[in-house]
Amino acid sequence: QQQVKQSPQSLIVQKGGISIINCAYENTAFDYFPWYQQFPGKGPALLIAIRPDVSEKKEGRFTISFNKSAKQFSLHIMDSQPGDSATYFCAAAFNTNAGKSTFGDGTTLTVKP
Amino acid sequence: DADVTQTPRNRITKTGKRIMLECSQTKGHDRMYWYRQDPGLGLRLIYYSFDVKDINKGEISDGYSVSRQAQAKFSLSLESAIPNQTALYFCATSDSPGTGSGANVLTFGAGSRLTVL
Repeated sequence: QQQVKQSPQSLIVQKGGISIINCAYENTAFDYFPWYQQFPGKGPALLIAIRPDVSEKKEGRFTISFNKSAKQFSLHIMDSQPGDSATYFCAAAFNTNAGKSTFGDGTTLTVKP
Repeated sequence: DADVTQTPRNRITKTGKRIMLECSQTKGHDRMYWYRQDPGLGLRLIYYSFDVKDINKGEISDGYSVSRQAQAKFSLSLESAIPNQTALYFCATSDSPGTGSGANVLTFGAGSRLTVL
């Protein structure tokens, strides 16, 4: 049973456009929702994260929107740049135990110049 | 130097061979993890360790074993490799609750790509 469903699997956006990646989770006990960014040949790295007591978090061009009642959250990349081309993973975790993170399957983002 | 170092970065081996992937970290974190990444399947937890004397199975531990030699070192072994263990393997670390703000954040190594023929 997949606990975190991520879509789309791949996404192509023009430079300057908005990239949107969606995730849905099932276990309401999760209390921490990070997004990881992975470049080819590298390990995933934390990009931005949100706790369920807020509905939105913004860091620069990256925004997480969180809908607790729908058990959904999404990553918005504003003014997408070619350097944003990477694989993005959403995850659902427990605040005190990163090792219990459940990952989505990943979205490969390509930003065309 | 990287905070989490994995060796080897690439390995090709044959079915039935024993393989060890090594991980060392300079983060000072107590918690270490091994994940497997397959195309389109995200990251799946193989084993994790909360300290030197603690080893726990993850979601997909069958066919794998681990050893926590020191706080900074955590190795993954495939006793008899098989082709469906061909994957990208990641070691990760995290802080412990109460020691800072990183108990919920994973720091990953660059990965070890294993091919089993």
